Amino acid sequence: QLQLQESGPRLVKPSETLSLTCSVSGGSISNTNYYWGWIRQSPGKGLEWIGSIYYSGSTSYSPSLKSRVTISVDTSKNQFSLKLSSVTAADTAVYYCARHKGGYYFGSGSTRLYGLDVWGQGTTVTVSS
Amino acid sequence: DIQMTQSPSSLTASIGDRVTITCRASQTINTFLNWYLQKPGKAPELLIYSASSLQNGVPSRFSGSGSGTDFTLTISSLQPEDFATYYCQQYYSTSVLTFGQGTKLEIK
Repeated sequence: QLQLQESGPRLVKPSETLSLTCSVSGGSISNTNYYWGWIRQSPGKGLEWIGSIYYSGSTSYSPSLKSRVTISVDTSKNQFSLKLSSVTAADTAVYYCARHKGGYYFGSGSTRLYGLDVWGQGTTVTVSS
Repeated sequence: DIQMTQSPSSLTASIGDRVTITCRASQTINTFLNWYLQKPGKAPELLIYSASSLQNGVPSRFSGSGSGTDFTLTISSLQPEDFATYYCQQYYSTSVLTFGQGTKLEIK
């Protein structure tokens, strides 16, 4: 059974870079059928998609976060990672990694990302000095 | 950007009730819509994909319908484990996903 697990620092100082890793077990991140994503949820708020990646390294990012986000993949470790730079208190949230049940690549970097069917348990990251 | 608006924002109902939650897109999204359930302190779970297809393992009391801009999630007979927050999410926009603001379903 596929499982995802987020890991990384729980406390980040303002202006620094938030770094999280999602470890995938029970399946291969290189499976060509799937994409992998990061989603966050601020305290008491709704869900916000951050971005997603394919095993090849092709990425899609939320326009509102694109200037600060980098998502990468390490197929040898069966992991993918999130970096969010120049964080502020507004970036305090529960961060989830998840698998997209599929996707369709149109070309020119354009992908339709299907539903998120397997999720990690989430990790709370607080931005504070 | 495509905006997703759910109604109501909160809802109170009883065990056994039939409940409908609505999601409206700011522009047509065909049937590229998913529904999720989130229980307190837990990760979301995919319930419905492509507007009306039931995800594996999801009870048949859940159903989805709609196309274009207007969508509904219906629970035919509420069970205790259904009290949670529900989110719709569009994937019509290529390379961009957006969620609705959520509908909190509470027990009466």
